[in-house]
Amino acid sequence: DSGVTQTPKHLITATGQRVTLRCSPRSGDLSVYWYQQSLDQGLQFLIQYYNGEERAKGNILERFSAQQFPDLHSELNLSSLELGDSALYFCASSVVPGPALNEQFFGPGTRLTVL
Amino acid sequence: AQTVTQSQPEMSVQEAETVTLSCTYDTSESDYYLFWYKQPPSRQMILVIRQEAYKQQNATENRFSVNFQKAAKSFSLKISDSQLGDAAMYFCALDDKIIFGKGTRLHILP
Repeated sequence: DSGVTQTPKHLITATGQRVTLRCSPRSGDLSVYWYQQSLDQGLQFLIQYYNGEERAKGNILERFSAQQFPDLHSELNLSSLELGDSALYFCASSVVPGPALNEQFFGPGTRLTVL
Repeated sequence: AQTVTQSQPEMSVQEAETVTLSCTYDTSESDYYLFWYKQPPSRQMILVIRQEAYKQQNATENRFSVNFQKAAKSFSLKISDSQLGDAAMYFCALDDKIIFGKGTRLHILP
C-alpha cells in the first residue's frame, strides 16, 4: 500500500459524458501527478500539481483538466468523453516539486471505460 | 524531444534463468534519472531499480541489475534467477520529462 488513494476504482460511462477522478496523496506529499495508461501502452504523463499550483504539463488533452485543492487532494476532470479515453488513470504523489520519478508513490489507479 | 524505446514487446524466460530487457532513450540533458518499473496483473506500478546518469556504476537491487551505457543511451535490465513472480509488464522510464516506454511483457516459463 503506497498510501495514495484513488476513487473510484472503476468507472463506466458513455461517450460525451463528463467524469471526475479523485486522488488523495500520501500524508505530507505536496505534489500530485496524473497519468493515463491505455490498453497495453506505457504511462503517459498528463499533469502535475505542487501545493495547489500547476507545475508541469504533459500530453493532456484540452478536454481534460485538473486541480489540486487546499487539502492537497486532486481531481482530474474528463469531459466530452470518447471511446479512446478508456484507460487506467493513475495518480502519484511525492513530497518534492518534481519531476523526481524516484520519489513518486503510485496509487492503485481508476479504470475508466467509455461505452 | 525526449523518447524512450523498448523494442521487445514480449519476452519469455525459463524459471531460474537470466533475462535481459532492452531500453534505449534520447535526451539532451546531461543529468537525469532512468528507471525500470514493474506492473504485475494487479496493475500496481512498482519501482524496480533506478540509475542516476552521472553515476558510472551500474545499479543493482538483489536479482535486478542494469547495464547503463550513457554514450549509447542504452539502459537494459537484467533479471537473474527468474521467478514466477517476476511475470509482469516492465516499463523503462526517463524522468527528465517523465516519459515511459511502451513496455515489455515478460513471461516466466515453469
